[in-house]
Amino acid sequence: KAGVTQTPRYLIKTRGQQVTLSCSPISGHRSVSWYQQTPGQGLQFLFEYFSETQRNKGNFPGRFSGRQFSNSRSEMNVSTLELGDSALYLCASSLLNTRTSPAEQYFGPGTRLTVT
Amino acid sequence: AQSVAQPEDQVNVAEGNPLTVKCTYSVSGNPYLFWYVQYPNRGLQFLLKYITGDNLVKGSYGFEAEFNKSQTSFHLKKPSALVSDSALYFCAVRAISNFGNEKLTFGTGTRLTIIP
Repeated sequence: KAGVTQTPRYLIKTRGQQVTLSCSPISGHRSVSWYQQTPGQGLQFLFEYFSETQRNKGNFPGRFSGRQFSNSRSEMNVSTLELGDSALYLCASSLLNTRTSPAEQYFGPGTRLTVT
Repeated sequence: AQSVAQPEDQVNVAEGNPLTVKCTYSVSGNPYLFWYVQYPNRGLQFLLKYITGDNLVKGSYGFEAEFNKSQTSFHLKKPSALVSDSALYFCAVRAISNFGNEKLTFGTGTRLTIIP
C-alpha cells in the first residue's frame, strides 16, 4: 500500500503571498489531519477532516484553512504568509477515530515551507 | 487541559545498553497514549499505542512502553539500543478538543542518540 504523499516537498515563498499544500492519504483512509512542526513550538495540530467535513481545528489564525475532497485528498492553504509560518507541514491519515477505537495516524514526509 | 510532557530534550545511551524515554500525561478520563518516531527529513512513524488492558505494550523495532496509571506515565523502553534507534521520539495523548472530538496532542519530543 502506498503511504501518505505530500506535494510539494519544498517551497519558498515571500511574505504576503499565499500557498497551497496537498496531501494524498493512504488508500481507504478517510481521516486527514494537518500539523505544523517548528523547532520552537514542536508539533502543533492545525485541523482534521473526515468525509469532507472539518472535525477539529487547532488554535491557528483564520489565515490557515483547509479542505478535503470526495476522494479524501486534502489541501491546506495559508494566506498572507508571515515569516513565522516557516515550518514543516505534516499531513497524517488514519481510519476514523472513535472513542473506543483510537486509530494511529500515518504521516507523510512533510512540506518544508520557507517564507522570506 | 489535557497535555503530555517529555521532561528530557536529549537522551544519550551507549549502544547495547537499555534505553528509556520518559513521558507523563494529564488527561480527563481514560488515557489513550501513543509513541511516534521521526527520522531526519522524514515524517513521523507510529511505534505503539496503549488503549486498555496489559500495561506493557509492545511495538515496532523492539520497542515497548509501560503504562503506569498511578504515576500518569507512559515511558518508552528498549532492552538493547542500536545506533539506528537514534531519532526524535514523540509521545502523544488523545485529548478532547473544543469540537468535542478527540485529537492527538504531542509532547515536545526527545532526541535519542545512541553512542557506538
